[in-house]
Amino acid sequence: GAVVSQHPSRVICKSGTSVKIECRSLDFQATTMFWYRQFPKKSLMLMATSNEGSKATYEQGVEKDKFLINHASLTLSTLTVTSAHPEDSSFYICSARRDSGNTIYFGEGSWLTVV
Amino acid sequence: AQSVTQLGSHVSVSEGALVLLRCNYSSSVPPYLFWYVQYPNQGLQLLLKYTTGATLVKGINGFEAEFKKSETSFHLTKPSAHMSDAAEYFCAVSDLTQGGSEKLVFGKGTKLTVNP
Repeated sequence: GAVVSQHPSRVICKSGTSVKIECRSLDFQATTMFWYRQFPKKSLMLMATSNEGSKATYEQGVEKDKFLINHASLTLSTLTVTSAHPEDSSFYICSARRDSGNTIYFGEGSWLTVV
Repeated sequence: AQSVTQLGSHVSVSEGALVLLRCNYSSSVPPYLFWYVQYPNQGLQLLLKYTTGATLVKGINGFEAEFKKSETSFHLTKPSAHMSDAAEYFCAVSDLTQGGSEKLVFGKGTKLTVNP
């Protein structure tokens, strides 16, 4: 079956540093990927839509300069949290829409802790 | 914009009992509806989805959901709960992003506990 892989699954970084999270579709092409943030005991909030070869589209209220998204190929999107603060600590989940068939598959998520 | 309401943030059932997780949606267009399951510290796995056609949708692990337009509901059921069903369940409806592409809008989730 279709698999979406996120790396790293857990990361701890110091305040003020930047951290990159990768989202890969392992056996299918995905022109469109999505980045979500999930707070404890809360739902998933869409942060941005990542489009291969073009700029990401951010949802209202999401700082595009803080959460940099790059979708350089049909199988890879990256989310970089810049100048991280403790309030950025969260569970980040990506999903990828398979180009053939339109089904969306989710990654396993990445826990970010900023200390 | 579309929205999803999941009634009950926590549901507790006995093993072997009926599972019923409620989901109501609001949508200005015919909706695409989804149920996802999330196990602790993991991503989301699609249980089932409704797009068009038959309103009773069967998914994985014995789950099914029925789309009822008149009630704007898409409740998830399973006749007999198993211990391995304990997880968080999310109902979602399709919507459009700021850029006009399709996205999923999630409910707040329902945590299912299965007691032995």
